[in-house]
Amino acid sequence: SQQGEEDPQALSIQEGENATMNCSYKTSINNLQWYRQNSGRGLVHLILIRSNEREKHSGRLRVTLDTSKKSSSLLITASRAADTASYFCATYPRGQNFVFGPGTRLSVLP
Amino acid sequence: DTEVTQTPKHLVMGMTNKKSLKCEQHMGHRAMYWYKQKAKKPPELMFVYSYEKLSINESVPSRFSPECPNSSLLNLHLHALQPEDSALYLCASSPPFQETQYFGPGTRLLVL
Repeated sequence: SQQGEEDPQALSIQEGENATMNCSYKTSINNLQWYRQNSGRGLVHLILIRSNEREKHSGRLRVTLDTSKKSSSLLITASRAADTASYFCATYPRGQNFVFGPGTRLSVLP
Repeated sequence: DTEVTQTPKHLVMGMTNKKSLKCEQHMGHRAMYWYKQKAKKPPELMFVYSYEKLSINESVPSRFSPECPNSSLLNLHLHALQPEDSALYLCASSPPFQETQYFGPGTRLLVL
């Protein structure tokens, strides 16, 4: 399987609920990044967390990184319809090139 | 200016055509990238330019030819493409390599 795999692949929630997406990876990394993509458009960078960091916040986003488990999670609190998008984690495995995970398609229902 | 611009937004070409995709950024970034993205799939890295030199070519067929005329511009020259090359082509830039990438809106390419 590939470096950087998101779980779940698809997620539907109601507005106001929290959404949690997970990302697992296989090799050591320098940093892990989360991106959002709205229906086949360009990707928007959400947050970067470095290998020596455990948690970062940005507005309604909270990202955690557990290097011992080689996993990260993205939490979106108080979701809105505008959060409907695909979310990708991406890693820079040491000695390798930038790799995106397969993504989680989030649908926030009004 | 914090934008990466790409032209054209849409492109339809035949298998014998030659066309070019253009990407521009004025953020002073020194790394620029081309990605290919098929529907419902993640972007796949094609090329990386670092300080205007090609540093990564992910075994992309020679019918795709990148060019970096200066630190702000990145081109992707297309020739003799196949229908399976139809995809969204994304350009991105980052300050140095391996940091946050800023993406353009993409060029949606259809090869007939």
